[in-house]
Amino acid sequence: DVKVTQSSRYLVKRTGEKVFLECVQDMDHENMFWYRQDPGLGLRLIYFSYDVKMKEKGDIPEGYSVSREKKERFSLILESASTNQTSMYLCASSLLGEQFFGPGTRLTVL
Amino acid sequence: AQKITQTQPGMFVQEKEAVTLDCTYDTSDQSYGLFWYKQPSSGEMIFLIYQGSYDEQNATEGRYSLNFQKARKSANLVISASQLGDSAMYFCAMREPSGGYNKLIFGAGTRLAVHP
Repeated sequence: DVKVTQSSRYLVKRTGEKVFLECVQDMDHENMFWYRQDPGLGLRLIYFSYDVKMKEKGDIPEGYSVSREKKERFSLILESASTNQTSMYLCASSLLGEQFFGPGTRLTVL
Repeated sequence: AQKITQTQPGMFVQEKEAVTLDCTYDTSDQSYGLFWYKQPSSGEMIFLIYQGSYDEQNATEGRYSLNFQKARKSANLVISASQLGDSAMYFCAMREPSGGYNKLIFGAGTRLAVHP
């Protein structure tokens, strides 16, 4: 079975802090994705990566950056967290078919 | 621009009855894929079913079936014989036809409550 893991289920940070969200997949997938999920808005794509060191902006990249130094690991970085980044963050990976999701990180920025 | 619309923010159904969750999509491409995911209260996204735009038969997976009406651009999920464990958020998604990378566009979701 494909497994996608995320470093934390719940995270509380203060405004202005630098925040790292880690995602690891174990199925050698080329593509990895970061989404944020907010009520009434569904999942919105922040960034995705199709290979090591390759990244592309999604629909809402402002305030975020990403890093993919190894194929299995895709990190989301909030350079200076703000309260409007309080959300559920979901990581996913895929080859050609469905995307496989991690359990999500619920981030609260105070 | 590609778009997924789920017009039902919430639905409820009696246990053992069937329920249909609506999904319409907008694309000008001929080749695309449609997905349904389930998200229980625990938060993980569970893949349920897939329909390719060229598939002639409606997709089925156990109690889940996808009512695909290409001309109407709809891809409704039908859950037969609802169970209490079906209570969850359900998301419809479309694979972006162009640009590759297997990107998905999601709808806003429908919250389904199954009553005993």
